Amino acid sequence: DIQMTQSPSSLSASVGDRVTITCRASQTITNYLNWYQQKPGKAPKLLISAASSLQSGVPSRFSGSGSGTDFTLTINSLQPEDFATYYCQQTYSTPPTFGGGTRVEIK
Amino acid sequence: QVQLQESGPGLVKPSETLSLTCTVSGGSISSYYWSWIRLPAGKGLEWIGRMYTSGSTNYNPSLKSRVTMSVDTSKNRFSLNLSSVTAADTAVYYCVCSPPYDSGTYLAWGQGTLVTVSS
Repeated sequence: DIQMTQSPSSLSASVGDRVTITCRASQTITNYLNWYQQKPGKAPKLLISAASSLQSGVPSRFSGSGSGTDFTLTINSLQPEDFATYYCQQTYSTPPTFGGGTRVEIK
Repeated sequence: QVQLQESGPGLVKPSETLSLTCTVSGGSISSYYWSWIRLPAGKGLEWIGRMYTSGSTNYNPSLKSRVTMSVDTSKNRFSLNLSSVTAADTAVYYCVCSPPYDSGTYLAWGQGTLVTVSS
């Protein structure tokens, strides 16, 4: 299985901050990388697919980049509704695997 | 827009079989991939397996010997059976939907159902 490693596992930030979350795959996954947002008590929501393709309805302050083994999710100007846990996921090979998650908390 | 709703017992005894159903509304169950994913407390998301409405399935190798998935197109629902459960199977279970061109990308999720394995 491809291992997905996210860092940091948690971070504290203020409204308006720029936040960067990284995800590293144990082998190349080209751009087969998705990002999900999960709020407490809710199901995950797809934010970005194919490493950088923003899903319809997702605010433009979210962006994704990277290819191969290293990927980044960036949130520009963090908003109150962005405090959540974020997961990366590879879809390059079966079984699809997820990172351990990054919890974004209010400073 | 497709909506999914999981249902099933919230408490299962060790060694018994966990059975969940996902009911699909707002669209046909045909022509999509349907998967189950779980989230154990304090851990990350784990893919259990997927199936297509043709009946083809793929299961996580770590669970393959205990997992069975099925679909009932007449009732627009699909099901998960996980046998010989232990406390390690305690988790929130989600049913999810993927387009046929990208079976690994989960566009729609159920709200999730907590299943606790305990005697």
